[in-house]
Amino acid sequence: GAVVSQHPSWVICKSGTSVKIECRSLDFQATTMFWYRQFPKQSLMLMATSNEGSKATYEQGVEKDKFLINHASLTLSTLTVTSAHPEDSSFYICSARGAGGGMDTQYFGPGTRLTVL
Amino acid sequence: AQSVSQHNHHVILSEAASLELGCNYSYGGTVNLFWYVQYPGQHLQLLLKYFSGDPLVKGIKGFEAEFIKSKFSFNLRKPSVQWSDTAEYFCAVRDTGTASKLTFGTGTRLQVTL
Repeated sequence: GAVVSQHPSWVICKSGTSVKIECRSLDFQATTMFWYRQFPKQSLMLMATSNEGSKATYEQGVEKDKFLINHASLTLSTLTVTSAHPEDSSFYICSARGAGGGMDTQYFGPGTRLTVL
Repeated sequence: AQSVSQHNHHVILSEAASLELGCNYSYGGTVNLFWYVQYPGQHLQLLLKYFSGDPLVKGIKGFEAEFIKSKFSFNLRKPSVQWSDTAEYFCAVRDTGTASKLTFGTGTRLQVTL
């Protein structure tokens, strides 16, 4: 099946710094990418949806200036957590859906664990 | 907005036992329903899905789920679990109107003992 990668798989940073997480679709063109956040023992919460070449659509309650999403190409989307604080520590998962595939062909990356000290 | 409830947070079963994980959703419109599995250290994978037609759907690895519209439920079943089924299971719902966003349940951690 299609593969979605994320880099890094884990990152530790100091409070106030920014962290960039990359999400790549390795063998298909992802017209739509999704970014989720997962707290321990909780569900995946959708943060934003991005279509290639256009601005991301953020879910209610998600600060777009804090979580910058760029979907510059059909194989790459990035999430930048700006001025990270300990409460931003979480597991971030990206998901990609390809062009031409059915609406159910949404593939998930392995996730990135962010720890903010 | 839709919501998804998974009432079993942690289930422990012996090998060969039968499995049923509950999933209920709240939404008045037409939905697509999914079950995903996340094995330890791996990414989410699709187990099965329901869009329309036969409400009993069969997925990979011997799993099946039944959509009961009147109960807003989509429970996952497997007649005989294996140790390798140890994983986290997520039910998800997608509103066919927006057709873009998945809403996930909180997940059920299944632990199968030998």
